[in-house]
Amino acid sequence: KAGVTQTPRYLIKTRGQQVTLSCSPISGHRSVSWYQQTPGQGLQFLFEYFSETQRNKGNFPGRFSGRQFSNSRSEMNVSTLELGDSALYLCASSLGSGGRNEQFFGPGTRLTVL
Amino acid sequence: QQQVKQSPQSLIVQKGGISIINCAYENTAFDYFPWYQQFPGKGPALLIAIRPDVSEKKEGRFTISFNKSAKQFSLHIMDSQPGDSATYFCAASITGGYNKLIFGAGTRLAVHP
Repeated sequence: KAGVTQTPRYLIKTRGQQVTLSCSPISGHRSVSWYQQTPGQGLQFLFEYFSETQRNKGNFPGRFSGRQFSNSRSEMNVSTLELGDSALYLCASSLGSGGRNEQFFGPGTRLTVL
Repeated sequence: QQQVKQSPQSLIVQKGGISIINCAYENTAFDYFPWYQQFPGKGPALLIAIRPDVSEKKEGRFTISFNKSAKQFSLHIMDSQPGDSATYFCAASITGGYNKLIFGAGTRLAVHP
């Protein structure tokens, strides 16, 4: 079974631009969660989507948004990029959305904002 | 109250030794405590997880000990190997809180041969 895939793996943008990251979950998984990983703040939850609905959202500004498609693939968008948005963005997929479901992480997208 | 505090920040262990990483939480609503292992360039991978109705869980060389009254849990890696060198994260979540994981800050483990 193929794992979670994320594209692109690396991205360089400049301040003020916007970016879209993509995540394809494991086949059959309906939940996709997004996390931001930085050296200073560690791993922080961004949001979760299940069956195309946002179920939960972390403490991030409205510039961070996402969506999920009917095939469970998910995208996250960051508008008006800031230097502090430089991070590894990880997506995780799981079968369900009940809090005890094992989450399988992708390799991440490394975003650098110049 | 949403924090999970993890220590130590880094750990050096000799091959064959025991690695111990500790975590503490405040929110008593947490009811699922997984540990993740992350190698450079990779996403975190689930190692082992425990629920608060169990005081200990063992899978191979990895053991979680859970102290509900103290609101603490720890990961023990027995017979540590150089291949165990990675960053380890404890986490917590709430059933019904969907799949939101609250992560500790991570422990960078180095196992020397």
